[in-house]
This record gives sequence, structure tokens and C-alpha cells, in this order.
Amino acid sequence: EAQVTQNPRYLITVTGKKLTVTCSQNMNHEYMSWYRQDPGLGLRQIYYSMNVEVTDKGDVPEGYKVSRKEKRNFPLILESPSPNQTSLYFCASRGQIHNQPQHFGDGTRLSIL
Amino acid sequence: AQKITQTQPGMFVQEKEAVTLDCTYDTSDQSYGLFWYKQPSSGEMIFLIYQGSYDEQNATEGRYSLNFQKARKSANLVISASQLGDSAMYFCAMREGRGSNYKLTFGKGTLLTVNP
Repeated sequence: EAQVTQNPRYLITVTGKKLTVTCSQNMNHEYMSWYRQDPGLGLRQIYYSMNVEVTDKGDVPEGYKVSRKEKRNFPLILESPSPNQTSLYFCASRGQIHNQPQHFGDGTRLSIL
Repeated sequence: AQKITQTQPGMFVQEKEAVTLDCTYDTSDQSYGLFWYKQPSSGEMIFLIYQGSYDEQNATEGRYSLNFQKARKSANLVISASQLGDSAMYFCAMREGRGSNYKLTFGKGTLLTVNP
């Protein structure tokens, strides 16, 4: 089954404690992306990757890091989380054809205390 | 200026009736596309329908159709014969450009409630 898998689904942690949210896709997609969703703001792109070792900033990259060492994996790293990063996070992937929809993971709800 | 505008924060509809969710967009590109996604209360993002700027006909997928008015820059989602399971948040999103390196810009969403 084609899917994007994120882990963990839920996490409550404290300010300053480094955390990583993993994302893996099994569709051999080149393009992967991270979004955060906040009430009233819709989804905003954090980082994206066009392929292995190719990443770029989205609209709200501050406080986040990513890496793309393998095609299937695209982890999101919060080096020193802060309460304003409490949000619902989505990983997504798609193929290269422009009319293909993005496939989303089930989301990760992060609470930073 | 917002690239995607969804002017209806919330909508209510009676079961079995049709409902239109509004989406207007702003782009100077000739090649672009509009996507609609559904997000139920469980949180996952479900792709519903796509309309390309060069598509001659309005897109349809089952009970979903897109009322695409290019001159007005609107791409409204029409859900026919609403069901209780249609209660969800709905997002309109736009891709600009034709190459593979495009970004999706999302609207803020419309919360649809279907009443029995």
C-alpha cells in the first residue's frame, strides 16, 4: 500500500529538548515536504526536498532542520524546540508530474511545554 | 496578498443537499493547478480533486466537482448530495508553474458541517 509514514503521531516534550520526527514514503517519490498546520492559518510549508541531498526552505523554516540522505526518508529536526513550535505537522511526498497530488502522512501532533 | 483565499471559515448544509465551498486565487502564471483536500476530525489529509489551468472541462470525481472560472480566478468545490461523513475541514491549494519544482500554497480552510 502506497503510504507516507510519520512517527511519532503524538509527542509532548519540554523546551530545549532536541527531537526528530521521522517521515518515510514507499512510492519512490522525488519530492518530499514538511508542513505545519495551525488554527486559522492553514498549512504552511517548512522545508522541502527535490531529491536526495537537495533541500530548501519553505515559508516558515526558522527553528527547523531537515536532511535527505535517502530517497525514502525526510526527517524533521527541532534542535531546541520552543512553545511556538507546538503544532500539527505533516510530511508529504509526490512524484514529478505537475498534476499529481501530494500524499500526506497522518500527521504528528507536537506539544512543547 | 494571499495567493489562496477561502472566504468561508464555516459552512452548514443539510444532509442530501448540495454545497459550494469557495476558493479564489491570485497568480500571474499561465500554468497552474488547483487541488482540494479534505481533513476529517481524525486529522489526515485526503486528496479530492484537481483542476489544471489548461484543462478545458471542469474536473469531476464522484460527488465532487470543481466550478472553475478562470477569468474570475475562482475554483469552487461543489459537493452534491451531502453526507454526514462530509463534515470536515476543506482546503484549497494552488501550484504555480509547470516544472517539477513547484510549491503548494494552501488556503486557510473551510469547516463544513453536515446536519442530519
